[in-house]
Amino acid sequence: DAGVIQSPRHEVTERGQEVTLRCKPISGHNSLFWYRQTMMRGLELLIYFNNNVPIDDSGMPEDRFSAKMPNASFSTLKIQPSEPRDSAVYFCASSWKGAVETQYFGPGTRLLVL
Amino acid sequence: GQQVMQIPQYQHVQEGEDFTTYCNSSTTLSNIQWYKQRPGGHPVFLIQLVKSGEVKKQKRLTFQFGEAKKNSSLHITATQTTDVGTYFCADNNAGNMLTFGGGTRLMVKP
Repeated sequence: DAGVIQSPRHEVTERGQEVTLRCKPISGHNSLFWYRQTMMRGLELLIYFNNNVPIDDSGMPEDRFSAKMPNASFSTLKIQPSEPRDSAVYFCASSWKGAVETQYFGPGTRLLVL
Repeated sequence: GQQVMQIPQYQHVQEGEDFTTYCNSSTTLSNIQWYKQRPGGHPVFLIQLVKSGEVKKQKRLTFQFGEAKKNSSLHITATQTTDVGTYFCADNNAGNMLTFGGGTRLMVKP
């Protein structure tokens, strides 16, 4: 199994630009999570999908952030317009709701907004 | 909302020394999961504790869940340089969602 796949692995952009992060969950998993990790705030849950439907987006910081999951094998997190304070590592994770609901994290996208 | 707190934030140990990180919550924890994140890496699942007072071992790692299900701990015996990383606890509360603690960063001096 390839595990959770994220792209790009690194992104450097300028303030005001649109940023799109992509995630392919593990095949067969029905839950998908987007997290943001910074030194100051730690690991924060941004949004959670179950069966492609957004269940909880209370962690999405501002209207500049949006996430979609058009099908079971693909999700995007978009930031428009980006700001320097959005610089962070963004992780996607997936899981299967079962006896032990382990979350499998992707390698992350390291975003730097100048 | 619920907060899961971990202490210490950082710990430097000499290789061979023991290490413990503590996870506490003001509310009753549902299930506790522990994850390890190597420097530059991503969180990787280690274990889940479900029952009050539960103790599980993985080689040199011992995980405990408090009797009142308000705290948990991870103890590493005789640390090695491969143990370096940040250890997170997470409460598996509302459905699939995890509330992560702030993590304890372990540094091991060879």
